[in-house]
Order: sequence, then structure tokens, then C-alpha cells
Amino acid sequence: KAGVTQTPRYLIKTRGQQVTLSCSPISGHRSVSWYQQTPGQGLQFLFEYFSETQRNKGNFPGRFSGRQFSNSRSEMNVSTLELGDSALYLCASSFPTGASYNEQFFGPGTRLTVL
Amino acid sequence: QQQVKQSPQSLIVQKGGISIINCAYENTAFDYFPWYQQFPGKGPALLIAIRPDVSEKKEGRFTISFNKSAKQFSLHIMDSQPGDSATYFCAASNPNTGNQFYFGTGTSLTVIP
Repeated sequence: KAGVTQTPRYLIKTRGQQVTLSCSPISGHRSVSWYQQTPGQGLQFLFEYFSETQRNKGNFPGRFSGRQFSNSRSEMNVSTLELGDSALYLCASSFPTGASYNEQFFGPGTRLTVL
Repeated sequence: QQQVKQSPQSLIVQKGGISIINCAYENTAFDYFPWYQQFPGKGPALLIAIRPDVSEKKEGRFTISFNKSAKQFSLHIMDSQPGDSATYFCAASNPNTGNQFYFGTGTSLTVIP
């Protein structure tokens, strides 16, 4: 079974621009979560989508948004980029089992650099 | 505000030694505590996880020790190998927030041959 794929793997943007990142979950997985990883901060939760609906949202400004399509693929968008948005953006998918915890499978991430 | 605090930030261990990474949390609603291993250029991968109804879980060379009263948990890597060199993250989740995981800041482990 193919793993979680993220595209592109690397991006370089300038301040003020916007960017869209894509995530394809493991086949059959319906939950997709996004995390921002920076040195010293670890992984910070951005949001989770399940069945095309945002189920949870972390403490990030409204410049960060996302969506999920009917095939469970997800995109996240960052508008008006700031230097501090430079990070590794990770996508994780899981198969909801109804338990309070579900193993999350992470993709390799998209490395975003804002100049 | 970091809901899960992890230490040390970096760790160097001789081959065959024991690596110990510690995490602490405040939110008593957390009920699932996974550890993730991340190699450069890769996403984190689940290593081992524990729930608060047990005090220890062992899988091969990896053991989680959990102290509910102290709100602390730790990862022990026995007989550490150079291939274990990676960044390790502890995490916690709250049943009220589904798949929203709170991660520690990570520990960079280097195992010297």
C-alpha cells in the first residue's frame, strides 16, 4: 500500500506570496491532519479534516487554511507569507476506528522556505 | 505554550548503552502517549505508544515507562545501535480533540559506534 504523499517536496517563496501544499493520504484513510515542524518547536498541529469537514483546528492565524476533497486528498494554503512561516509542513493520515486515538501515518513533508 | 515538555534536546550514547528520553505533561485529560522516530528527510513514524492504565510497555528494545501521578513518561532504548540515531518525539492526545496530537520539541539521539 502506498504511503502518504506530499507535493511539492520543496518550495521557495517570497514574503507576501501565497502557497498551496497538497497531501494524498493512504488509500482508505479518511482523516488528514496537518502539522508545522520547526527547530525548537517540534510539531505544531494546524488542523484536521475528516470527510471534507474541518474537525479540529490548532492555534494558527487565519492565513493558514485547508480543505479536503471527496477522495480524501487535502490541501493547505498559506496566504501573505511571512519569514516565520518557513518550516517543514507535514501531513498525516489515519483510518478512523472510533477510538480516541488512531495511529497517524506521516508523509515526508513539504519544506517551505520564505525569503 | 508547550503542552508536552521533552528533555534532553540532544543525547549522545555509546553503542550498546541505554538511551533515556523524558517527557512531562500537565493536561490530565490526555489518554494516549505515542513516541515517534524521525530520520532526516522522512516524516515521523510511530515507534511505540502507551495508555495511562499501564505503567510500562515494552516492544523489543524500546520501553515506555509511564508515571500517571507525576504526569511523566519516558522512552528507554536498550542496547542502543547506530541505526537508532534519529530524532525522537513524544506526544499526547486528548479524547475530546480526536487526532490533534501535542508533540514535544524532540530529542536528537546520536549513537556512537
